[in-house]
Amino acid sequence: NAGVTQTPKFQVLKTGQSMTLQCAQDMNHNSMYWYRQDPGMGLRLIYYSASEGTTDKGEVPNGYNVSRLNKREFSLRLESAAPSQTSVYFCASRLNPLRTSGGSFFGPGTRLTVL
Amino acid sequence: QQQVKQSPQSLIVQKGGISIINCAYENTAFDYFPWYQQFPGKGPALLIAIRPDVSEKKEGRFTISFNKSAKQFSLHIMDSQPGDSATYFCAASRGYGNQFYFGTGTSLTVIP
Repeated sequence: NAGVTQTPKFQVLKTGQSMTLQCAQDMNHNSMYWYRQDPGMGLRLIYYSASEGTTDKGEVPNGYNVSRLNKREFSLRLESAAPSQTSVYFCASRLNPLRTSGGSFFGPGTRLTVL
Repeated sequence: QQQVKQSPQSLIVQKGGISIINCAYENTAFDYFPWYQQFPGKGPALLIAIRPDVSEKKEGRFTISFNKSAKQFSLHIMDSQPGDSATYFCAASRGYGNQFYFGTGTSLTVIP
């Protein structure tokens, strides 16, 4: 049981390049999330997927797109990276927030630098 | 606008002391309040959580105190240990909703 896994762990991009961050969970959780963490800002929600087949915007969605590929996988895409997107990105999952309380399980993070 | 305000930003405590981290919120619709612990280079991990129908919840050395009328909640770490040195985040969510709002984090250092 690996929990929540993310790839890659580190990435350096040039302004304007695109990339996809991958996330997978093996806990049979229904909901998945993408957060970014910046110094002094805490964790801010980018996008989430309440269940397979649905996605919704969070607090800071601009410049990002997501795909809920299946129940296990939720990817985050940067179409044209900007220096303001330099951050640590965390994927998280949660069993079923509509039926149970309970926190989210986080992956180890992807450290992205945009030059 | 920060939905959840957390203080202090950093905290240094002697081994065996009590660490106290405070959070405040405005949205009275919030009804689930978790605390997360994050070690350097790792993702946050759920530590303890409370719902507003109780004023206190204790798990081992970790206690959440909740004051509904003041819209404040706090994390107390009793007998703090060097292994507790980490960043702590409070959070809040509405109902069983999907979106958690996080505080800005407190960096705790426990000195041996």
